[in-house]
Amino acid sequence: AQKITQTQPGMFVQEKEAVTLDCTYDTSDPSYGLFWYKQPSSGEMIFLIYQGSYDQQNATEGRYSLNFQKARKSANLVISASQLGDSAMYFCAMRAVDGGATNKLIFGTGTLLAVQP
Amino acid sequence: DAGVIQSPRHEVTEMGQEVTLRCKLISGHNSLFWYRQTMMRGLELLIYFNNNVPIDDSGMPEDRFSAKMPNASFSTLKIQPSEPRDSAVYFCASSLGDRRTLGNTIYFGEGSWLTVV
Repeated sequence: AQKITQTQPGMFVQEKEAVTLDCTYDTSDPSYGLFWYKQPSSGEMIFLIYQGSYDQQNATEGRYSLNFQKARKSANLVISASQLGDSAMYFCAMRAVDGGATNKLIFGTGTLLAVQP
Repeated sequence: DAGVIQSPRHEVTEMGQEVTLRCKLISGHNSLFWYRQTMMRGLELLIYFNNNVPIDDSGMPEDRFSAKMPNASFSTLKIQPSEPRDSAVYFCASSLGDRRTLGNTIYFGEGSWLTVV
């Protein structure tokens, strides 16, 4: 069975500092994709970053980077130089072929990030 | 380019009434997902279509829920009869690819906030 675990219900960070949001995953599939989404208080789901299981380098998108440790099955999101607008719920998600049946996106429970001025 | 478009954004209805949620995919996308988000259960996949064909409907709660894709760019999610426990945010999402495509981003609509009283 596939599973995504986010152990941090909430996090605080000072403006301009970096913050790491934890995510671990479990799958028996060798091919999978890992995603991070941001959900601000307005409710929409915003795609941030993607990491493929065979990617050799960690993904980066602007101030977002993904610390991918395959052996540990972790895919932590690092946000550098936090801004007040980064305050939101962050979801880690995984997409695997799941034995060929489907490639649905499975979400973790989310981490609520609060950026303090 | 227009993103995934959902309607209505907000709906309040009485128990027993029929509810129809609508979704327009991003132009050119061929995969369609319906998700439901609640505080208790987080984000759950209800159903996944690829090329208008339902691939995985294992998340559909019960027979009261039905989803269709009458054409390649449009989908409906119907609840009949609605119950208070159906109150949630319903997200439609789309992507390009098939069940083996892991890296293509899934883009979400802004959600339909449903309250059943």
